[in-house]
Amino acid sequence: SYVLTQPPSVSVAPGQTARITCGGNNIGSKSVHWYQQKPGQAPVLVVYDDSDRPSGIPERFSGSNSGNTATLTISRVEAGDEADYYCQVWDSSSDPWVFGGGTKLTVL
Amino acid sequence: EVQLVESGGGLVQPGGSLRLSCAASGFTFSSYEMNWVRQAPGKGLEWVSYISSSGSTIYYADSVKGRFTISRDNAKNSLYLQMNSLRAEDTAVYYCARDGEVGASAFDIWGQGTMVTVSS
Repeated sequence: SYVLTQPPSVSVAPGQTARITCGGNNIGSKSVHWYQQKPGQAPVLVVYDDSDRPSGIPERFSGSNSGNTATLTISRVEAGDEADYYCQVWDSSSDPWVFGGGTKLTVL
Repeated sequence: EVQLVESGGGLVQPGGSLRLSCAASGFTFSSYEMNWVRQAPGKGLEWVSYISSSGSTIYYADSVKGRFTISRDNAKNSLYLQMNSLRAEDTAVYYCARDGEVGASAFDIWGQGTMVTVSS
């Protein structure tokens, strides 16, 4: 089945830019979605179809996808952005909905 | 308010069964595809099962195929997951998630989750 690879952790100072990557074979040909999950809470969709934002998600959250890497970018990081972030794609394989392993974003 | 509320979790012995429910409100449930996603303690998200809006198309993760059954009752705005032959590795928070209004198979609405613990 299709595999998505994320770094376990990313750290960034407040006000700086965080970039969280999601690697997969030719992931640029797929639609990538990103979820934010804070401790004890359900995931929240923050970016869909590579770079679109659902209603209510700040413009600070953006995404890109090309080649073998998709990236979630969080600009002007705030303490409240500290969370786990997961990428997701749909793939025509045995387990069609695939999540990455997750990245813990720490705001220093 | 658009909402999904799971119930039915609990403690069950290995080999036992449990039925999870997910009650939908605030949207036309019968128009949406739905999914179950689980998260083992301290671990990442794992997709479990999908059902189309009419219930005619169903998919399962290999890890649960043959043991879990997804279903829905559109008249009751409810989604279900029947879990049989439970194993310790099925211990997780189980979320129902709407296959959404935006994106290609993006899960735009999630419930708060229900905990399933498989232990003797």
